Amino acid sequence: DSGVTQTPKHLITATGQRVTLRCSPRSGDLSVYWYQQSLDQGLQFLIQYYNGEERAKGNILERFSAQQFPDLHSELNLSSLELGDSALYFCASSDGGEETQYFGPGTRLLVL
Amino acid sequence: AQSVTQPDIHITVSEGASLELRCNYSYGATPYLFWYVQSPGQGLQLLLKYFSGDTLVQGIKGFEAEFKRSQSSFNLRKPSVHWSDAAEYFCAVLTGTASKLTFGTGTRLQVTL
Repeated sequence: DSGVTQTPKHLITATGQRVTLRCSPRSGDLSVYWYQQSLDQGLQFLIQYYNGEERAKGNILERFSAQQFPDLHSELNLSSLELGDSALYFCASSDGGEETQYFGPGTRLLVL
Repeated sequence: AQSVTQPDIHITVSEGASLELRCNYSYGATPYLFWYVQSPGQGLQLLLKYFSGDTLVQGIKGFEAEFKRSQSSFNLRKPSVHWSDAAEYFCAVLTGTASKLTFGTGTRLQVTL
């Protein structure tokens, strides 16, 4: 158990809908990262937050957004969902110093 | 741009045999390198990491990896594989500025009894 929690574990929704994925980092970690794992793209970095502020952006679609709250949990919002958004979404956290990222169990999203 | 290559998509070994999974990276500066393992339906578990110092690093579950700068490689090894090691293994490099992990495509390990 990495100490990073993600909810929900599974999510099934329809095209055009909006969903929110939630992540709680390890105790004391200030950085949260979001990654997407899909069969065709592999594991791709989406976005990073550090202590509430956006720190880095990767291949994140404009339909996707994220935020990190004062209690350091983070949410990834996916809107206008398409079939191709079906993937496993991972959250990771680090203390912002040593840069080792610890991953949560992921949220499996299926868009029908 | 940084990249990670795992040339073997799928490897099959017998239980008790030795294992080596290959990883090559492309990165201009001194890389921070990681190996993660993903069991079916599970998240990514950190096996080991290399930041600096001794080029042979030990990890959990009996795994080790050797950083070879001259070959831009960071191969993962285990002297004797157990059936429970069957999983997908990912090599990753951390970019210094963005703090994001760039992953290889993964190597799926199958262990035969």
